Amino acid sequence: EAQVTQNPRYLITVTGKKLTVTCSQNMNHEYMSWYRQDPGLGLRQIYYSMNVEVTDKGDVPEGYKVSRKEKRNFPLILESPSPNQTSLYFCASSPQTGPKVYEQYFGPGTRLTVT
Amino acid sequence: EDKVVQSPLSLVVHEGDTVTLNCSYEVTNFRSLLWYKQEKKAPTFLFMLTSSGIEKKSGRLSSILDKKELFSILNITATQTGDSAVYLCAVDAFGNEKLTFGTGTRLTIIP
Repeated sequence: EAQVTQNPRYLITVTGKKLTVTCSQNMNHEYMSWYRQDPGLGLRQIYYSMNVEVTDKGDVPEGYKVSRKEKRNFPLILESPSPNQTSLYFCASSPQTGPKVYEQYFGPGTRLTVT
Repeated sequence: EDKVVQSPLSLVVHEGDTVTLNCSYEVTNFRSLLWYKQEKKAPTFLFMLTSSGIEKKSGRLSSILDKKELFSILNITATQTGDSAVYLCAVDAFGNEKLTFGTGTRLTIIP
């Protein structure tokens, strides 16, 4: 089944404790992206990746890191989480031909709480 | 900075009614506008519009884009309780490989 998977789905952690949220897609998509969703602010892009070893900042990259060592995986790393990073996180991927970003397929979401 | 504004923020109607959701945008080098439906979890793709005046239709849902006036509408006819969701609008631009989302319209259908 074609899908985007994220782990964990729920995480409660404490300020400053490094964490990684994994994202994997089995559709051979070139483009992958991370979003956070907060009430009243909608979906905001954190980082995106056009292909392996190519990553770029989105609208709200501060406090986050990503890597794209393989096409299928795009982990999101919070080196020192803070309470303002409490949010619902979505990973997404899309096929890409040339410069065009097609509709994105979203993972199930990770609800992160930082206390 | 690219901007997407959706209205209304929230809408409650009775089953069988027709609803119109609005999305206006300001974006440099507009390429496409996308609509998503978000129920309790991840957004799912509905439509992508790239040309002005073109209507996309899927069953009871339809959408039109006005590139001159910089807005799109999503119409749902004969609404059902399963249409209850948050509807998200997003735009993307040439040379800017990311989507900018609006905050969404929460639609609630009362049986």
